[in-house]
Amino acid sequence: EDQVTQSPEALRLQEGESSSLNCSYTVSGLRGLFWYRQDPGKGPEFLFTLYSAGEEKEKERLKATLTKKESFLHITAPKPEDSATYLCAVQLIGTGNQFYFGTGTSLTVIP
Amino acid sequence: NAGVTQTPKFQVLKTGQSMTLQCAQDMNHEYMSWYRQDPGMGLRLIHYSVGAGITDQGEVPNGYNVSRSTTEDFPLRLLSAAPSQTSVYFCASSYVGTQYFGPGTRLLVL
Repeated sequence: EDQVTQSPEALRLQEGESSSLNCSYTVSGLRGLFWYRQDPGKGPEFLFTLYSAGEEKEKERLKATLTKKESFLHITAPKPEDSATYLCAVQLIGTGNQFYFGTGTSLTVIP
Repeated sequence: NAGVTQTPKFQVLKTGQSMTLQCAQDMNHEYMSWYRQDPGMGLRLIHYSVGAGITDQGEVPNGYNVSRSTTEDFPLRLLSAAPSQTSVYFCASSYVGTQYFGPGTRLLVL
C-alpha cells in the first residue's frame, strides 16, 4: 500500500534554531515529490518539486532534499514568519494527476 | 491573474440538502482536482479532471459528483449532504505536476 508519513506532527523552534522536517514514503513508483506550505485558513502554497534521489532545491531559509525513501525539508535560522504547516505529497508513476499527501508538520517559530 | 478561486468561503447545510461548490482558474491549466482536508487525515483526492469533458474518481469519491464543461470551471456537487462531509474543500489546478490551490470552502453539515 502506498503511504506518505510526515514527522514530527508538530515542532516548536526558537528563532534562529535550525531543524529538519521529514517525509518518508513507501510507494510503487515515484514520479515526483512536492513540498507545500499551508497557513491557517488558506490553501497550500507550492514550495518545491523533487524528481530523483540526490536532488536538492533551495529557497531562502528552506532546502529540500530527496533520497530513495524520504525527503527532508531543512529550515536554517527560522523566523516567526516561517510558522506554518508544511505538507509533502507524492505523485506516482502511471497515476496521471493523482497526488497523495502526508498529514503535515505544524511548525511554530518562537521569537 | 486571479489564480484559483472558490465560492462560497463558508457554508452550512442540513443533512440531505444539495449544493455545488464552485471552482474556477484563469491559468489555462488542463488538470484540476478537488480535495477534502480533515484533521489528522491530510488532503484526500475526491475527483480530478485532465481536461474539458474528462473526469475521474480519486480516493474518496462517494457522495460527490463533478463535471468539466470548460477548461476554466470545475464544480463539485454534493447530491445529499451528510455530516461526514463536514470538511474543508480545496480545488487545485496544475501544470507539469505543480498544483495551485484555491483558498478553500469550509462546509458544515448539521
